Amino acid sequence: LAKTTQPISMDSYEGQEVNITCSHNNIATNDYITWYQQFPSQGPRFIIQGYKTKVTNEVASLFIPADRKSSTLSLPRVSLSDTAVYYCLVGDNTDKLIFGTGTRLQVFP
Amino acid sequence: GAGVSQSPSNKVTEKGKDVELRCDPISGHTALYWYRQSLGQGLEFLIYFQGNSAPDKSGLPSDRFSAERTGGSVSTLTIQRTQQEDSAVYLCASSGGEQNYEQYFGPGTRLTVT
Repeated sequence: LAKTTQPISMDSYEGQEVNITCSHNNIATNDYITWYQQFPSQGPRFIIQGYKTKVTNEVASLFIPADRKSSTLSLPRVSLSDTAVYYCLVGDNTDKLIFGTGTRLQVFP
Repeated sequence: GAGVSQSPSNKVTEKGKDVELRCDPISGHTALYWYRQSLGQGLEFLIYFQGNSAPDKSGLPSDRFSAERTGGSVSTLTIQRTQQEDSAVYLCASSGGEQNYEQYFGPGTRLTVT
């Protein structure tokens, strides 16, 4: 399973776009990139998954360069309710998820 | 529909006692996972079930930890002779629906060993 590296924490203000980058230099051909969000006192919640290029859903966008050694989760116009921990995971969807410590995003008014 | 449920939501136990934590996955989900999360830390994988079998037990921290799953549904995680370092939130997740890569997590059981 490829190891991921992401910033420990980030601060932002309401209405701003937030980009969280994750490094995964050892990503394998069969691996997908998945992001989860966790609010305090709750279990993680799936946000988005991608393999290459760009994926967009109602919550976020995921940008993956051609070499796939990194990925960027983009949250448009964040609000206070987006304050959470965001985890980047890499795997082939057939195995357990390896969670790191994630990125703690704090959104200020 | 119902999500993943876990019980109890909170458990306080004395050191040395045994505890059982229960997980009810989403109906029809074949895969079930147990994780634990210490305060301010990321999730630590414990064990994974596919159906009733456990192909990956690599995360169980010691032989005091065991888990079973019956009928391809409910799972119990048992911790024997609890220690203070076992205090954590124990999270269960299931997957195997239409988007079969997505894991759905329960609310967790907060275990405190005094």
